[in-house]
Amino acid sequence: DSGVTQTPKHLITATGQRVTLRCSPRSGDLSVYWYQQSLDQGLQFLIQYYNGEERAKGNILERFSAQQFPDLHSELNLSSLELGDSALYFCASSLGGHLNYGYTFGSGTRLTVV
Amino acid sequence: DQQVKQNSPSLSVQEGRISILNCDYTNSMFDYFLWYKKYPAEGPTFLISISSIKDKNEDGRFTVFLNKSAKHLSLHIVPSQPGDSAVYFCAASARNTPLVFGKGTRLSVIA
Repeated sequence: DSGVTQTPKHLITATGQRVTLRCSPRSGDLSVYWYQQSLDQGLQFLIQYYNGEERAKGNILERFSAQQFPDLHSELNLSSLELGDSALYFCASSLGGHLNYGYTFGSGTRLTVV
Repeated sequence: DQQVKQNSPSLSVQEGRISILNCDYTNSMFDYFLWYKKYPAEGPTFLISISSIKDKNEDGRFTVFLNKSAKHLSLHIVPSQPGDSAVYFCAASARNTPLVFGKGTRLSVIA
C-alpha cells in the first residue's frame, strides 16, 4: 500500500457520459498530480494541485476538470466521454518540496468507455 | 513532441546478468531525473534518482548514470533477478516542474 488511494479501481461507462475519479494523497503530502496512461503510451501529465490551488497544467482536455478539496483529496472529472478517453488514470502525491524521493503513485483507475 | 524517450520497448536478460535500460531526453532544462518501476495492476514506484550536478548515483543493485552532453541516462541493474521483471519508466523534471515520463521499457529477467 503506497498510501495514495484511488477509487474506483475500474469504471466502465458509455460515450457521452460523465465520471468522477477520486484520489486521497499520502498523509502529509500537499501536492496531487493526475496522469493518464493510454495504450502504448507513457504517463501523460494532466494537472497538478498544491494545497488546494491549481499549480500546473499539462495536456488536459477542456472536457476534463479537477479540483483539490480542503482535506487535500482530489477529484478528476471527465465529461462528454469518448472512446479515446479509455485509459489508466493515475494520481500521485508529493510533499511539494524537492524531488529526492519522487512522487508516490496510487494503483490507478482503469476507465473503459464503450 | 516527446521530451523523454525510451527507444527500447522491451529487454530480455538472464538472471544474474546485467540489465541496462536507456533513456534519452531533449530538454536541456531538465535538472532532475528519476526511474520508476511498475508491476501489472499497480502504480509506478520510485526506484532511484539523480540530479544534473552528478553523473552517477548508486543504490544497492541499481545504478543510474547521467551523460549530460549526450542528453542520455541509463539504469544498470546488477545482478538481475526474476523479481526485477517489470516496466521501467524514465522521468525528468525542469526546476521542480511536474515529471515528464518516457513510454517505458518492459524488462524480462529469465531464470
